[in-house]
Amino acid sequence: SQTIHQWPATLVQPVGSPLSLECTVEGTSNPNLYWYRQAAGRGLQLLFYSVGIGQISSEVPQNLSASRPQDRQFILSSKKLLLSDSGFYLCASRHKNTEAFFGQGTRLTVV
Amino acid sequence: GENVEQHPSTLSVQEGDSAVIKCTYSDSASNYFPWYKQELGKGPQLIIDIRSNVGEKKDQRIAVTLNKTAKHFSLHITETQPEDSAVYFCAAKALSGNTGKLIFGQGTTLQVKP
Repeated sequence: SQTIHQWPATLVQPVGSPLSLECTVEGTSNPNLYWYRQAAGRGLQLLFYSVGIGQISSEVPQNLSASRPQDRQFILSSKKLLLSDSGFYLCASRHKNTEAFFGQGTRLTVV
Repeated sequence: GENVEQHPSTLSVQEGDSAVIKCTYSDSASNYFPWYKQELGKGPQLIIDIRSNVGEKKDQRIAVTLNKTAKHFSLHITETQPEDSAVYFCAAKALSGNTGKLIFGQGTTLQVKP
């Protein structure tokens, strides 16, 4: 099975500061990778997905961007954080027709 | 695009009772329907999934049923235990194509009272 590593686990950042969340995957190659955001008490909103190195698709317009510099590395970034960027961010990996594996998430609080 | 609706948003049951969570989906091309359990502060974990070529799947106390005609599927938990308390998400996906996008429902917070 796949293992998804996400860090940091928690993060408190001031408004206007930059953001970089990293996700790495073990146990598979050439996976589809995803960033989801979960607002408090709400469902999982798909933000970005990637089917390969350098290939990023955005699902919703927002203040965030994603990059995939290596096959098993997926990065979520922002140049200037907004209060509304607060949430629980989850990275997920899926290889072909297998289940999706999630990381443990990063709780981001923008103050 | 695909839309998944999940009900109820919260569910409280007594230990030993059954719990049922229902989801509907919009894309008739969807043919893979997983259910995830999320404990507080953790990432979701797959508990059961079903593909469109079967109508029901069971794993111990957990079962999922699928009605492709009506485009809805349900999670059934029998003999609930306090450790079943968590947030449950349904999801739907069309297996064709390479994107592998899972579209999730809004989640159901299940509380099992001892």
